[in-house]
Amino acid sequence: KAGVTQTPRYLIKTRGQQVTLSCSPISGHRSVSWYQQTPGQGLQFLFEYFSETQRNKGNFPGRFSGRQFSNSRSEMNVSTLELGDSALYLCASSALSGGLGEQYFGPGTRLTVT
Amino acid sequence: GNSVTQMEGPVTLSEEAFLTINCTYTATGYPSLFWYVQYPGEGLQLLLKATKADDKGSNKGFEATYRKETTSFHLEKGSVQVSDSAVYFCALVLRDTGNQFYFGTGTSLTVIP
Repeated sequence: KAGVTQTPRYLIKTRGQQVTLSCSPISGHRSVSWYQQTPGQGLQFLFEYFSETQRNKGNFPGRFSGRQFSNSRSEMNVSTLELGDSALYLCASSALSGGLGEQYFGPGTRLTVT
Repeated sequence: GNSVTQMEGPVTLSEEAFLTINCTYTATGYPSLFWYVQYPGEGLQLLLKATKADDKGSNKGFEATYRKETTSFHLEKGSVQVSDSAVYFCALVLRDTGNQFYFGTGTSLTVIP
């Protein structure tokens, strides 16, 4: 069974640009969640999509957005990048929502904003 | 609000030593509790979980008991190995907030031979 895949693994962008990250969940999983991991703030929840609907959203500005496709693949977009957006972005997939199913994490996308 | 507090690291232990990583939580409802582990360059892996009070989660020699009276979920292992070196995260989730996990700041563990 293939795990959660994230592309690209590494990304370097300039302030003001926008970026799109992709996450392919484990086959059959309908929930995809996104997290931002930084040394200072730790792991912070961005949002969760379940069956193409945003289920929940964390406390991030509107520059952070996402979507989920009918095949459960998800994309996350950050517009007008700031230096503080440099982080490891992790996605996790689960068969169920509400913490009922085990969450499987991908290896992450390392975003560096210069 | 909802939050998780973990003991500060880093923690350095000799092989075969006893490990305890403290974790306490605050939650607006009845949470499920988890320990995740992150090896260098990898994503998080579920280590163990407990979904109700007094449940004990266990895996690979690690264990943690859900203590509602002390709002704690401390991670323990009787004899650590070099391969246990990693960062450990305590987390909670509430059923009415989907899969919004609240993570602690992580505790880095290094085991020396």
